[in-house]
Amino acid sequence: GAVVSQHPSWVICKSGTSVKIECRSLDFQATTMFWYRQFPKQSLMLMATSNEGSKATYEQGVEKDKFLINHASLTLSTLTVTSAHPEDSSFYICSAQGGGNWNTEAFFGQGTRLTVV
Amino acid sequence: GESVGLHLPTLSVQEGDNSIINCAYSNSASDYFIWYKQESGKGPQFIIDIRSNMDKRQGQRVTVLLNKTVKHLSLQIAATQPGDSAVYFCAENMGTGRRALTFGSGTRLQVQP
Repeated sequence: GAVVSQHPSWVICKSGTSVKIECRSLDFQATTMFWYRQFPKQSLMLMATSNEGSKATYEQGVEKDKFLINHASLTLSTLTVTSAHPEDSSFYICSAQGGGNWNTEAFFGQGTRLTVV
Repeated sequence: GESVGLHLPTLSVQEGDNSIINCAYSNSASDYFIWYKQESGKGPQFIIDIRSNMDKRQGQRVTVLLNKTVKHLSLQIAATQPGDSAVYFCAENMGTGRRALTFGSGTRLQVQP
């Protein structure tokens, strides 16, 4: 399957600072990327859908000004958690879909563990 | 999307036994389903998928069964191994383009040596 790389794998930041997480599709062009959040012992919850060259679509209850998403190229999407607070501590996971045979299958990154202190 | 519950049920099996993990999906219009395996601290790993025009699909040591009548999906793992220990999620997708996946609540599989 295709490879999706997330960076960093983990990050600790101080409350009030911003953190950027990168999601890259390494061997295919991802026209659509998704960002999920996962709290301990819970399932993945979709935060937003990101289409290359256009604004992201956020799920209900997700603050777009707090979770800034940029998808400026077909291989890179970034999620910036602005003014992070301890309640933002979570496991953030991206997934990517391309075209052709990957029209529906989504490939996931390895996730980013964010801890806000 | 709708996610089923906050609890993580656990299935404990002996090494070598067969495992069956069940999932009730939420959207009767969904036509594509995927099982993912997630190990601690990692992203979901694709196991097997099935489209709604099928009721069974087999892979290497894994079989997925789909019952659209009752919106039920199951994953069967043959000859379960310690390396199969993980959390397993079912996910559904409308299959009509690049839509996000809706994940079930997950089941933790513990394989006893």
